[in-house]
Amino acid sequence: GDSVTQTEGLVTLTEGLPVMLNCTYQTIYSNPFLFWYVQHLNESPRLLLKSFTDNKRTEHQGFHATLHKSSSSFHLQKSSAQLSDSALYYCALSDRYNQGKLIFGQGTKLSIKP
Amino acid sequence: GGIITQTPKFLIGQEGQKLTLKCQQNFNHDTMYWYRQDSGKGLRLIYYSITENDLQKGDLSEGYDASREKKSSFSLTVTSAQKNEMAVFLCASSKGQASNSDYTFGSGTRLLVI
Repeated sequence: GDSVTQTEGLVTLTEGLPVMLNCTYQTIYSNPFLFWYVQHLNESPRLLLKSFTDNKRTEHQGFHATLHKSSSSFHLQKSSAQLSDSALYYCALSDRYNQGKLIFGQGTKLSIKP
Repeated sequence: GGIITQTPKFLIGQEGQKLTLKCQQNFNHDTMYWYRQDSGKGLRLIYYSITENDLQKGDLSEGYDASREKKSSFSLTVTSAQKNEMAVFLCASSKGQASNSDYTFGSGTRLLVI
């Protein structure tokens, strides 16, 4: 079945440095949708950005990601980390055959230090 | 704007007890989901429902039952609580079954079994 892998459980960075959170996926279907959800402390997860177009950069709130079907990747990036970016980030996958179900990765906790 | 409400926010149960978690949404969304959130394991799907009275099992359905008697509500029952179990249960809803549908999450129910 479909799966999503986020290799880093915890990423700790100093404010102002670039952010990159890894996400790779496995699916037999050729047109997956990929999502990034963000969950701040004591809040519920909310959508950060999504994409289904190969090699097209998607941006929202200073973050960006590009779906690369050739490498089955959808890494999340930001040029300069802010303290407020500290949160739990989930990568997720959906495809047209699974009734809108999202398959989530294990999550990456991003901790930004001053 | 709509809201998705989970009750209770905190639930303390005893080993072997049957426990019910409730979720209500006023978005008029068709599809609703129950996920379990554990640190390092991401969000794992327990049950989902694409319409009133529909139930579909997720990967983690064993030990749980669900009920969707109305379009706006989706309940989850832990059939026999396990001692020392501690988890967060998240309810979500989406407009339809399209693979690009965004999820709206509730604020969660935190379960502790003593």
